[in-house]
Amino acid sequence: DIVMTQSPDSLAVSLGERAAINCKSSQTVLYSSSNKNFLAWYQRKPGQPPKLLISWASSRESGVPDRFSGSGSGTDFTLTISSLQAEDVAVYYCQQYYTSPPTFGGGTKVEIK
Amino acid sequence: QLQLQESGPGLVKPSETLSLTCTVSGGSMSVTSYYWGWIRQPPGKVLEWIGSIYYSGSTYYNPSLQSRVTISVDTSKNQFSLKLRSVTAADTAIYYCARLDPITLFGVVSYFFDHWGQGTPVTVSS
Repeated sequence: DIVMTQSPDSLAVSLGERAAINCKSSQTVLYSSSNKNFLAWYQRKPGQPPKLLISWASSRESGVPDRFSGSGSGTDFTLTISSLQAEDVAVYYCQQYYTSPPTFGGGTKVEIK
Repeated sequence: QLQLQESGPGLVKPSETLSLTCTVSGGSMSVTSYYWGWIRQPPGKVLEWIGSIYYSGSTYYNPSLQSRVTISVDTSKNQFSLKLRSVTAADTAIYYCARLDPITLFGVVSYFFDHWGQGTPVTVSS
């Protein structure tokens, strides 16, 4: 199975400041023929189920604010919140779908400093 | 708006069978583009895909659970179900149902998850 490792486990950021979450896969999730990375990001707010934010490493889902962006390729990826808002307090997860079984990172908790 | 809702017992005895049902509303399960499936998260552990089903009944399971899992579908009720046999304390988790976007690469199907149920906690204890 592909192991997904997220860092940090948690971070506290001031309102309006930038938050960056890292995700590393144990093997590439880039399909070179299509130049697509098979990686998704989810947000789970307290008391709610996970919500898909980004697929294909950088493609935001409809309705997701543009302060959320995904970047990276191959084995190293980053989810960036450009200006943290109070409603962004949540746990964020990465997930690969390059192969089966699909696997998730351990999550990164984002809080307000 | 698509909604999924899990239902079933919150407490299961060791060695028995965990049974959960997911009811889908706001859309038909018979849409050809999607699969339906189950994910769980034990306390303090990583989210784990359990398995998936197509509306036709084709199933795919995580090899780590394959010997104990059955997922079935009832399109007339817009529901799908999970059965996990011979449970132990390690099966204590929040169980989510979800709609899955299938991606095929090198002949293998994997998924990302675009709609989730609220999740239901299941405890395995005598």
